[in-house]
Amino acid sequence: GAVVSQHPSWVICKSGTSVKIECRSLDFQATTMFWYRQFPKQSLMLMATSNEGSKATYEQGVEKDKFLINHASLTLSTLTVTSAHPEDSSFYICSARGLADGPYEQYFGPGTRLTVT
Amino acid sequence: DAKTTQPTSMDCAEGRAANLPCNHSTISGNEYVYWYRQIHSQGPQYIIHGLKNNETNEMASLIITEDRKSSTLILPHATLRDTAVYYCIVRGTNTGNQFYFGTGTSLTVIP
Repeated sequence: GAVVSQHPSWVICKSGTSVKIECRSLDFQATTMFWYRQFPKQSLMLMATSNEGSKATYEQGVEKDKFLINHASLTLSTLTVTSAHPEDSSFYICSARGLADGPYEQYFGPGTRLTVT
Repeated sequence: DAKTTQPTSMDCAEGRAANLPCNHSTISGNEYVYWYRQIHSQGPQYIIHGLKNNETNEMASLIITEDRKSSTLILPHATLRDTAVYYCIVRGTNTGNQFYFGTGTSLTVIP
């Protein structure tokens, strides 16, 4: 199956700093990538949908100025958490879909554990 | 996208079949049923998907009722490594269609 990678796998940062997380589709081109956040013992919550070459679409309640998403190529999307605070500590997961419409599954990355101190 | 309802948790004896139900009574004609699982602190793993016919792959079988209002994921011989949270999701086929995760079923395989 297709592979999606994330970097870093975990990161610790100080409150007020910014953190960038990368999501790459390794062996396929992804028109659309998705970013999720997961708090302990909770389900995945969709944050935003990212289409290559255009602005991301954010879910209701997600601050677009705080969670900056860039999808500059068909294999790379980045999520930048700006001015991170302890409440942003979470497990961030990306997923990617291929180029065509159809019942194709999404492939998920392994996740990035963010801890803000 | 249609909402899904799954039991919060289930246990299954190792070596036995695990049958995980999912209700999706408001599913529309062009929406597929997908199953993913998430092992602790990992990204979700794709298991199987289907539209209206039953499907089988090397991991599992998917049984969809004739009215498509519910489905069952079957792990034929559960192992301890199948302990995970299993998510049933329905979604349309356009590239922008998102996966919205419900609470899923926490399956524990017991030795």
